[in-house]
Amino acid sequence: RKEVEQDPGPFNVPEGATVAFNCTYSNSASQSFFWYRQDCRKEPKLLMSVYSSGNEDGRFTAQLNRASQYISLLIRDSKLSDSATYLCVVNKKGAAGNKLTFGGGTRVLVKP
Amino acid sequence: DVKVTQSSRYLVKRTGEKVFLECVQDMDHENMFWYRQDPGLGLRLIYFSYDVKMKEKGDIPEGYSVSREKKERFSLILESASTNQTSMYLCASSSPSLETQYFGPGTRLLVL
Repeated sequence: RKEVEQDPGPFNVPEGATVAFNCTYSNSASQSFFWYRQDCRKEPKLLMSVYSSGNEDGRFTAQLNRASQYISLLIRDSKLSDSATYLCVVNKKGAAGNKLTFGGGTRVLVKP
Repeated sequence: DVKVTQSSRYLVKRTGEKVFLECVQDMDHENMFWYRQDPGLGLRLIYFSYDVKMKEKGDIPEGYSVSREKKERFSLILESASTNQTSMYLCASSSPSLETQYFGPGTRLLVL
């Protein structure tokens, strides 16, 4: 079983609609969580961190459920520019520092 | 802004060739990482380094080696390239206090 699993999609979303997707992680010792965004043929970039209480950044809301070991990302009022692959990332601190584990990504296509 | 640069965006090599991928960061980050990204498999950690001349194996180190002679530079070496090393290679850097990693633009390597 992969450490971090995501539905690869694609999620086809009409412009202006809301889309949500989850990511599950297997290591209960994971300490922090992130969503990265990766545009086609570009490098991943941090979208937002996910904290225990959940957090919101504009149209994006991230939630963490430690009991069920999943995190979610919700995008409201989708824009064409939101089309990208969203990577779920889990961090576990070790003796040598932070170690990030990446999910395979969920592809989102926002259409007019 | 953090800047991570990689020596080549695209590279074509033949089986058995020695391949050098260079990564340079300008933020004085202690930590540097090499990943490969393949469809359906996500980003997988090859090697990382927490200090000059220091290296640690990641999840898939076989067939690769690394060199960190200067703080800003982290090199990935394919001693004898094979077709199964055709992939997108991404370098990243961070500081120990940060959980966020900053990525370079990636090198698409094709081994024929």
